[in-house]
Amino acid sequence: DTGVSQDPRHKITKRGQNVTFRCDPISEHNRLYWYRQTLGQGPEFLTYFQNEAQLEKSRLLSDRFSAERPKGSFSTLEIQRTEQGDSAMYLCASSSPNPGTRLAESTYEQYFGPGTRLTVT
Amino acid sequence: DQQVKQNSPSLSVQEGRISILNCDYTNSMFDYFLWYKKYPAEGPTFLISISSIKDKNEDGRFTVFLNKSAKHLSLHIVPSQPGDSAVYFCAASAYRDDKIIFGKGTRLHILP
Repeated sequence: DTGVSQDPRHKITKRGQNVTFRCDPISEHNRLYWYRQTLGQGPEFLTYFQNEAQLEKSRLLSDRFSAERPKGSFSTLEIQRTEQGDSAMYLCASSSPNPGTRLAESTYEQYFGPGTRLTVT
Repeated sequence: DQQVKQNSPSLSVQEGRISILNCDYTNSMFDYFLWYKKYPAEGPTFLISISSIKDKNEDGRFTVFLNKSAKHLSLHIVPSQPGDSAVYFCAASAYRDDKIIFGKGTRLHILP
């Protein structure tokens, strides 16, 4: 299977605990994205990496959230001191855009993993 | 501030007929538009995309139309099949921005 994988698929934790999620992108993709999806909403951007560099963070990403991609391959998303409002599906995506052909078709789509569903009790 | 709007939360279509899902956007900087399909307990699956230099892109049963002046795009599925029942997300991105902005989704039900 060469798709994006995420681990764990489900996580139940008590408020105040720390949690860490892992994402393994498609192997040749240099960009990796984290999104969060809550009920009735579309995915919302959190942050993204090009190789190991974190290039953008959303204001949704409070200081309790930290993401890393130390070797430019897999990434981790950690949430410290979880709150009930953190309950959501956390989605990872990867892409390998070719800026020179940005306006050509099929050069920029992001491929998503199955997500990690977090429930904070 | 919803930059990508899908105003129909759900849509029911008879099997074999055409399904038309609509999407409006407000940000004139968007130049690339995508449709994703999502089944329960799975991540979104890329379906089809269109860049702002085109007004139509077709892939099998799926066609996306873009009307830049109206800031409107639509996804046509013909003929609709039972396996098309899912949530469809419209999404957009701007050239100098790598994040994708998603709408809230439209749940499509294909009726037998």
